[in-house]
Amino acid sequence: DARVTQTPRHKVTEMGQEVTMRCQPILGHNTVFWYRQTMMQGLELLAYFRNRAPLDDSGMPKDRFSAEMPDATLATLKIQPSEPRDSAVYFCASGAASSYNEQFFGPGTRLTVL
Amino acid sequence: AQTVTQSQPEMSVQEAETVTLSCTYDTSENNYYLFWYKQPPSRQMILVIRQEAYKQQNATENRFSVNFQKAAKSFSLKISDSQLGDTAMYFCAFMKLGGNTGKLIFGQGTTLQVKP
Repeated sequence: DARVTQTPRHKVTEMGQEVTMRCQPILGHNTVFWYRQTMMQGLELLAYFRNRAPLDDSGMPKDRFSAEMPDATLATLKIQPSEPRDSAVYFCASGAASSYNEQFFGPGTRLTVL
Repeated sequence: AQTVTQSQPEMSVQEAETVTLSCTYDTSENNYYLFWYKQPPSRQMILVIRQEAYKQQNATENRFSVNFQKAAKSFSLKISDSQLGDTAMYFCAFMKLGGNTGKLIFGQGTTLQVKP
């Protein structure tokens, strides 16, 4: 049963702390997306990668957010320093080269910054 | 830029009845996909149905079907024989094809409550 996994599922931290969220895409998928969901903004794309190369990170605040894919089985999203307005659910999704039209979502990381 | 609008923040339906969720979008593109995703209280995003813009035939998946009106840029979701498990937030989404494709643009969502 292939699934996208994300860790941690929940994270509570204090303002100013570094936060790292991890995603393991479905094996064989070469496209990875990071989305953020908030009540005010809804679901918005932060960044995405294809074959580990960043294609679009225009939705990401550059001064504090960074996204990487150190290898094909791991994508990371880091916030440093974190702020209360970063509180949200962060989703990772992956897609296959043969079917970009379907994205499989992970369970999300609920981040609370106090 | 593409936008997706869901004008119904909340809806409710009686179990076994039919409900239609509305979605409109704005784009100058000709080749694209449209999707409906379901997000139950578990927070998991689940693909319900998708429609290729070049196909005139409306997509159907069991109790779920769409009414795709390309000229009107409308993409509504019909749920027949509603079940309690259909209670969730539903998102309409747009994806442009070609180039560095894959980016989903979501509407604000419609919360659907199925009542027993």
